[in-house]
Amino acid sequence: SYELTQPPSVSVSPGQTARITCSGDALPHHYSYWYQQKPGQAPVVVIYKDTERPSGIPERFSGSSSGTTVTLTISGVQAEDEADYYCQSADNSGTYVFGTGTRVTVL
Amino acid sequence: QVQLQESGPGLVKPSETLSLTCTVSGHSISTIYYWAWIRQPPGKGLEWIGSIFHRGRTYYNPSLKSRVTVSVDTSRNQFSLKLDSVSAADTAVYFCAREEVGAHFDSWGQGTLVTVSS
Repeated sequence: SYELTQPPSVSVSPGQTARITCSGDALPHHYSYWYQQKPGQAPVVVIYKDTERPSGIPERFSGSSSGTTVTLTISGVQAEDEADYYCQSADNSGTYVFGTGTRVTVL
Repeated sequence: QVQLQESGPGLVKPSETLSLTCTVSGHSISTIYYWAWIRQPPGKGLEWIGSIFHRGRTYYNPSLKSRVTVSVDTSRNQFSLKLDSVSAADTAVYFCAREEVGAHFDSWGQGTLVTVSS
């Protein structure tokens, strides 16, 4: 089955930049989305359609796409950004797929 | 602002059927959106289960399709999930969500933990 692969963890100091990658063969053909999930809470969309940021999401969150890899960048990381992050897209049959997830730790 | 709330038993016996309902408030279920179920086993990642349109069109994750039924009750502004023949592997937090068609899930319920155990 189709998989979206993310690094299990990313550690970053406050004020630094965190980059989380998501790789999948079908990504050039389907939009990607990024969710932030804090413990005990439902996921929240932070990036949609590869690069768009929903209203209310801080400008430090941005998305980019290149071939079979999409990237979520958090510039100037703050302590409140510590969370799990999941990418999401679709395979070529239209099945929604989530990435394996990345835990961001703010040192 | 749309709100979603899952409800249903928190404990289901192996081989039985898991049944959950999602009540939508602040937004009619009979609009352009689809409505979805997603689950997350403890300590693990997210898995899309299936989605439904208010007119009844459904589509499911192929890995679960043989055991899943999603239905909608527009008069109550609710949609429901049934998962047959459950096992311990179905233990998870189950979320309901609003789905922007062919895209992503823009509003979520808080989730409900369902444990499969005898």
